[in-house]
Amino acid sequence: NAGVTQTPKFQVLKTGQSMTLQCAQDMNHEYMSWYRQDPGMGLRLIHYSVGAGITDQGEVPNGYNVSRSTTEDFPLRLLSAAPSQTSVYFCASSAYRGPQIYEQYFGPGTRLTVT
Amino acid sequence: GQQVMQIPQYQHVQEGEDFTTYCNSSTTLSNIQWYKQRPGGHPVFLIQLVKSGEVKKQKRLTFQFGEAKKNSSLHITATQTTDVGTYFCAGPTSGTYKYIFGTGTRLKVLA
Repeated sequence: NAGVTQTPKFQVLKTGQSMTLQCAQDMNHEYMSWYRQDPGMGLRLIHYSVGAGITDQGEVPNGYNVSRSTTEDFPLRLLSAAPSQTSVYFCASSAYRGPQIYEQYFGPGTRLTVT
Repeated sequence: GQQVMQIPQYQHVQEGEDFTTYCNSSTTLSNIQWYKQRPGGHPVFLIQLVKSGEVKKQKRLTFQFGEAKKNSSLHITATQTTDVGTYFCAGPTSGTYKYIFGTGTRLKVLA
């Protein structure tokens, strides 16, 4: 099993450009999420999904879009990149049952710089 | 909104000393998760606590969930250089699947 994979590993964008960060998992997890981590900071939830066709906003959703057309994939779209979106982005997946999710498996991260 | 704070923010210890990090939530948590992140790496799951007053051990690591389910702690006995990293707690916003991560405690172990 590859677990959670993310592409690209590194990306530099100019202000105003758009791009999609890819995330895929092969563990058949229903729950997937995107976090951003700024230097020396904790992780902040951007968006999450509890299954194909179902997404919801996290703590810091502005400037980002997501969709979940399959169980395996959960891409994150930056609509118009801003320097404030310079960060490391982590995708995670988890099994869940009822009101509780279980161990979150994180991908290796994408380091994004917006100039 | 819900806040999850951790103290201390940083801790330097000599190898062999004990280490404790504390996690405090502004609201009651249905469960709490702990993660470790090595420098330059991604968070790795350590444990999940669900019951009030729960205590779980993993070798030198002891995790506690408070009676009121608003706080938690991670204690490492006799630290080793392999324990270096940042330790995060995370808990769900009430009634949702939104997991809020704590601010983290960065541990440095001096050999």
